[in-house]
Amino acid sequence: RKEVEQDPGPFNVPEGATVAFNCTYSNSASQSFFWYRQDCRKEPKLLMSVYSSGNEDGRFTAQLNRASQYISLLIRDSKLSDSATYLCHMNYGGSQGNLIFGKGTKLSVKP
Amino acid sequence: DVKVTQSSRYLVKRTGEKVFLECVQDMDHENMFWYRQDPGLGLRLIYFSYDVKMKEKGDIPEGYSVSREKKERFSLILESASTNQTSMYLCASSLPGLAGENEQFFGPGTRLTVL
Repeated sequence: RKEVEQDPGPFNVPEGATVAFNCTYSNSASQSFFWYRQDCRKEPKLLMSVYSSGNEDGRFTAQLNRASQYISLLIRDSKLSDSATYLCHMNYGGSQGNLIFGKGTKLSVKP
Repeated sequence: DVKVTQSSRYLVKRTGEKVFLECVQDMDHENMFWYRQDPGLGLRLIYFSYDVKMKEKGDIPEGYSVSREKKERFSLILESASTNQTSMYLCASSLPGLAGENEQFFGPGTRLTVL
């Protein structure tokens, strides 16, 4: 059974704050993990992949915790332009079609 | 840049009509996907295709069919539109591999309203 849980938010934070989101998953066979960003009324776009060793891209850090079955996204020094909905996405491997998106966490960065 | 285009941004149809949503990608991707996105339900996979004429059901295929006659084009068909199919429809494509294994590139979406 495929289940992914994300706190829908909204997370309202001031500029410059550090904010973190988690995405928990139930299927231990999950293999590939991603964070997508979706701006209001726009399509999702890849923000970053999540590797077993974790990865960092500027102000963004993504981590995978297989033991506790969650991925996380940390945003440091939040900018107004970071306001968006962040979707986690994963592939469960095995046969085709085993993929799922989380419902998203909404972030609003205020001046 | 990968470009995924969808035939319409907004579409209004009547109950019972046959509806075609077209998606074209220009990066020679093998995998193509159709999703619908609804408030509170997120992105849900309807169908995907990993090659020409090949298709697999996603999580919510009921009421939909697809066609992939050419590699660059993936069509979603609503045989008889119903009001509960009012939604935002998003097409995506990706490099070959298991579905969801690689980055997906999305089109701008078609907001379909069925009256």
